[in-house]
Amino acid sequence: GENVEQHPSTLSVQEGDSAVIKCTYSDSASNYFPWYKQELGKGPQLIIDIRSNVGEKKDQRIAVTLNKTAKHFSLHITETQPEDSAVYFCAAPYSGGGADGLTFGKGTHLIIQP
Amino acid sequence: EAQVTQNPRYLITVTGKKLTVTCSQNMNHEYMSWYRQDPGLGLRQIYYSMNVEVTDKGDVPEGYKVSRKEKRNFPLILESPSPNQTSLYFCASSLGPREQPQHFGDGTRLSIL
Repeated sequence: GENVEQHPSTLSVQEGDSAVIKCTYSDSASNYFPWYKQELGKGPQLIIDIRSNVGEKKDQRIAVTLNKTAKHFSLHITETQPEDSAVYFCAAPYSGGGADGLTFGKGTHLIIQP
Repeated sequence: EAQVTQNPRYLITVTGKKLTVTCSQNMNHEYMSWYRQDPGLGLRQIYYSMNVEVTDKGDVPEGYKVSRKEKRNFPLILESPSPNQTSLYFCASSLGPREQPQHFGDGTRLSIL
């Protein structure tokens, strides 16, 4: 099955600085990589995703980059704001061993310092 | 408004007392799944359903049951809850299992004493 490693587990940055969260995956056949944001008391919400036919995708202050050769993808948040404070999860698809769906990383707690 | 609704949001109960967590989605999604979230372990899939009357085990199915009698509903059943099932549970739905955005409910926090 797919194995997704996410780093760091906690990231503290000054407001206005950039934040980068990295994930690696094991299944070279994977071709869809979403990022979810989870605010306190809420369920995870998709913020951006990328498919393997592109190397980068941007949406305002958020971008995701994908390196299929190295099997890693990263979330980049620029000009961080207090509302960016949350837990972020990366995920990769897998099928096999009975399960079918997304395997999630263990999450990164992003703290934006004022 | 497109949403996944879980009930209850919070529940404290005792070992062995059967409970059901309901999940309903209004997006006509075929795929639904249940996850549990534990500190340091992230989200782990419990059960999933590809469509009505089609369910299958995920990574951590022991102690849980599900059913999918209608497309919109996917209840999670704990026949004999135990303390190690104390966790935060999320239901999700999507157009497909692997390459489609998943829509999550706001979670159900279960405490089994």
